[in-house]
Amino acid sequence: GESVGLHLPTLSVQEGDNSIINCAYSNSASDYFIWYKQESGKGPQFIIDIRSNMDKRQGQRVTVLLNKTVKHLSLQIAATQPGDSAVYFCAENRGYQKVTFGTGTKLQVIP
Amino acid sequence: NAGVMQNPRHLVRRRGQEARLRCSPMKGHSHVYWYRQLPEEGLKFMVYLQKENIIDESGMPKERFSAEFPKEGPSILRIQQVVRGDSAAYFCASSTGQGNGYTFGSGTRLTVV
Repeated sequence: GESVGLHLPTLSVQEGDNSIINCAYSNSASDYFIWYKQESGKGPQFIIDIRSNMDKRQGQRVTVLLNKTVKHLSLQIAATQPGDSAVYFCAENRGYQKVTFGTGTKLQVIP
Repeated sequence: NAGVMQNPRHLVRRRGQEARLRCSPMKGHSHVYWYRQLPEEGLKFMVYLQKENIIDESGMPKERFSAEFPKEGPSILRIQQVVRGDSAAYFCASSTGQGNGYTFGSGTRLTVV
């Protein structure tokens, strides 16, 4: 659901390992899902998206998995690099409605 | 394509003053959204506008805050009589409105002293 002012959970990963960031969404009618990356002092940046008629989509080093049954979304980052350190937000959208953001996860890459 | 342009990047206001935040959407985008973000927190929806119309203002405080997106020119988020609690990063995003996500600007960081 939408951010309600909770402090961000943190995921620490060794450089070179794979990262998995999880997200639960709230609206079963949402048909479009997006992952954003936000680096310190910057605006959110689009990473990858997926429509509800798919359960997996791959990009360059990133994969998004969608489980509509349990309303769960995950972002997998292969061979995590220091430049991947950021806050990652999942987001859901339906038609002309606003995009609703999850709480966010801070990814820390340990060199 | 210049992307979503927000200005100013940083804005300092004294308590009681007015803050005006501007957002020019991406070329071809007619839908604008404003979000607020406190440090170490997520993005909280404020308002969704189309040209000359407010579509959804469910996240806007009832007092002191207003937003517009005129036929010509940028979208403006206006905060009157600012208080310390208004200090935050304010992000604008734009889209075509067809359910395919947004593009964000770099934000305006408002500090109320």
